[in-house]
Amino acid sequence: QKEVEQDPGPLSVPEGAIVSLNCTYSNSAFQYFMWYRQYSRKGPELLMYTYSSGNKEDGRFTAQVDKSSKYISLFIRDSQPSDSATYLCAMRVGAGGTSYGKLTFGQGTILTVHP
Amino acid sequence: KAGVTQTPRYLIKTRGQQVTLSCSPISGHRSVSWYQQTPGQGLQFLFEYFSETQRNKGNFPGRFSGRQFSNSRSEMNVSTLELGDSALYLCASSLTLALDEQFFGPGTRLTVL
Repeated sequence: QKEVEQDPGPLSVPEGAIVSLNCTYSNSAFQYFMWYRQYSRKGPELLMYTYSSGNKEDGRFTAQVDKSSKYISLFIRDSQPSDSATYLCAMRVGAGGTSYGKLTFGQGTILTVHP
Repeated sequence: KAGVTQTPRYLIKTRGQQVTLSCSPISGHRSVSWYQQTPGQGLQFLFEYFSETQRNKGNFPGRFSGRQFSNSRSEMNVSTLELGDSALYLCASSLTLALDEQFFGPGTRLTVL
């Protein structure tokens, strides 16, 4: 079983829809949670970085973390065709833990927003 | 502020050869990590460097190695290339080792024939 599970999709939604992307994890040592967006043939771009349970909002993006359920989500409101990309969740253990510099990634979800 | 840069962007090698990839972190960042991305395995951690020392290493064979220079620039080397080494190799930099966001470069696309 992988430490981080992410539905690979693909996910196809109409422009303006609310998108929900999710990851579950098994390692309770994960303390920091990230969402990256990766366009084709590009490197991942950091979208959200959180370290506590609850919600964090940045523009059209909301990251949600539930450590008790080992579940994180990314919501995209008013989705645009330019949001079409692969979305990757990533996690790392807390400072002082072993391998704390290492990010563990989900498989990525391919999202297409059509006009 | 310039982002993470990686050179070369594309590389074609044959089995048995060796290759060196280069990464320049964001100015002021002292930690550099390397990841391998393939369609089947996704993004996998290779190693992390801070202050010219390898701090963490992923589950890759010894053919994969790296180093970091005093100016924080980093190189990774793959010896005796295998077909399965074909991948996108990504470098990420962060300010320090822990608690900081990691920012990725565009990657080096390595094809092994």
